[in-house]
Amino acid sequence: IVMTQSPATLSVSPGERATLSCRASRSVSSNLAWYVQKPGQAPRLLIYGTSTRATGVPARFSGSGSGTEFTLTISSLQSEDFAVYYCQQYNNWPPLTFGGGTKVEIK
Amino acid sequence: EMQLVESGGGLVQPGGSLRLSCAASGFTFSRYWMHWVRQAPGKGLVWVSHINNDGTSTTYADSVKGRFTISRDNAKDTLYLQVSSLRVEDTGLYYCARDMHFGGYMDVWGKGTTVTVSS
Repeated sequence: IVMTQSPATLSVSPGERATLSCRASRSVSSNLAWYVQKPGQAPRLLIYGTSTRATGVPARFSGSGSGTEFTLTISSLQSEDFAVYYCQQYNNWPPLTFGGGTKVEIK
Repeated sequence: EMQLVESGGGLVQPGGSLRLSCAASGFTFSRYWMHWVRQAPGKGLVWVSHINNDGTSTTYADSVKGRFTISRDNAKDTLYLQVSSLRVEDTGLYYCARDMHFGGYMDVWGKGTTVTVSS
């Protein structure tokens, strides 16, 4: 299953809303996770099961979608949110597959 | 605190081998599936391999099948990845990660160990 993320880069001002998209080449049901990776750091799990926030993840992060279309929304961007975000499907594996990432940068 | 610490990376010539290790602490290692994920310089995340909690089941990406071997020693709380017949395209940062719920998503990650394949 190929995962495609868009846009590749998203320029957003602090305090604004960011909407990231992830599309699967075929249905992954709700078996989708989101990760965030900051420069020089390991990825961190944000969301699994399409919409369940991992432990300690702030409520400004929300996930939605099903089947082949998914969205990660950050309601009000904080300085620490500027990073790269990856989606990953775990509905049909091996292989587990990640999207190419969306870089959220400061506008 | 749950922690994964990778080691064993290095510079190796094409065709060479390395054994990567991942030491776990802060959780009951033997209860969890584990994964290796790699990241080429400046690129995205690529899943490499998985092993179930008792080591009896393993899966691999097609690109590494037959060249890489995942294993674990639950008595030592350690995960391994034997990487052989290395290619230039295997270069990258190799992360070990804990599978959260026997499902294929990963909630604890190490900081990675770097493998560089170059002549």
